[in-house]
Amino acid sequence: ETGVTQSPTHLIKTRGQQVTLRCSSQSGHNTVSWYQQALGQGPQFIFQYYREEENGRGNFPPRFSGLQFPNYSSELNVNALELDDSALYLCASSLGAPPNSPLHFGNGTRLTVT
Amino acid sequence: GENVEQHPSTLSVQEGDSAVIKCTYSDSASNYFPWYKQELGKRPQLIIDIRSNVGEKKDQRIAVTLNKTAKHFSLHITETQPEDSAVYFCAAVPGGKLIFGQGTELSVKP
Repeated sequence: ETGVTQSPTHLIKTRGQQVTLRCSSQSGHNTVSWYQQALGQGPQFIFQYYREEENGRGNFPPRFSGLQFPNYSSELNVNALELDDSALYLCASSLGAPPNSPLHFGNGTRLTVT
Repeated sequence: GENVEQHPSTLSVQEGDSAVIKCTYSDSASNYFPWYKQELGKRPQLIIDIRSNVGEKKDQRIAVTLNKTAKHFSLHITETQPEDSAVYFCAAVPGGKLIFGQGTELSVKP
């Protein structure tokens, strides 16, 4: 069974640039959720995708957008990067949304915005 | 909006002692309460979870209790070991998304 994989592991961008983060869900999982974890904080929910449709969104501006593909992999796109976007971005997959299935997290992408 | 408060933020215990971490939540619609362990530089890993129709659940040295009336739940680790040292996060789930607490950094001293 392949777990959740994310790429890249680390990324450095300049303020104002755009970034795309990628996530492959665990085998058999059809739901992907994205979280932002600032240093020393708990993860914060960005949005969730189920069967290629956004299925819930947290308190993040529209410059945070996403996609889910037919194979259930997903992308997180962030436009007009700001310094406060520096964080660990975690992808998690599940078979349906919790509590139907627990979330399994990837190792994350560490984004630094300078 | 939904909110989860977690205490304490740091906890230091001697090996073999017990550790207790407490969380409160605001959204009464929450019906699922997972706990995650995150070691430095690693992914959060699910260690135990409890659903709203259960008051207590135990898995070896780890137990979780839930009081839905008071909207609080707790993680209990007995016979702590140095490898239990990590950051622990509680979460509540209203409507399919996890709302995490701020985390507790547990340090187990040998």
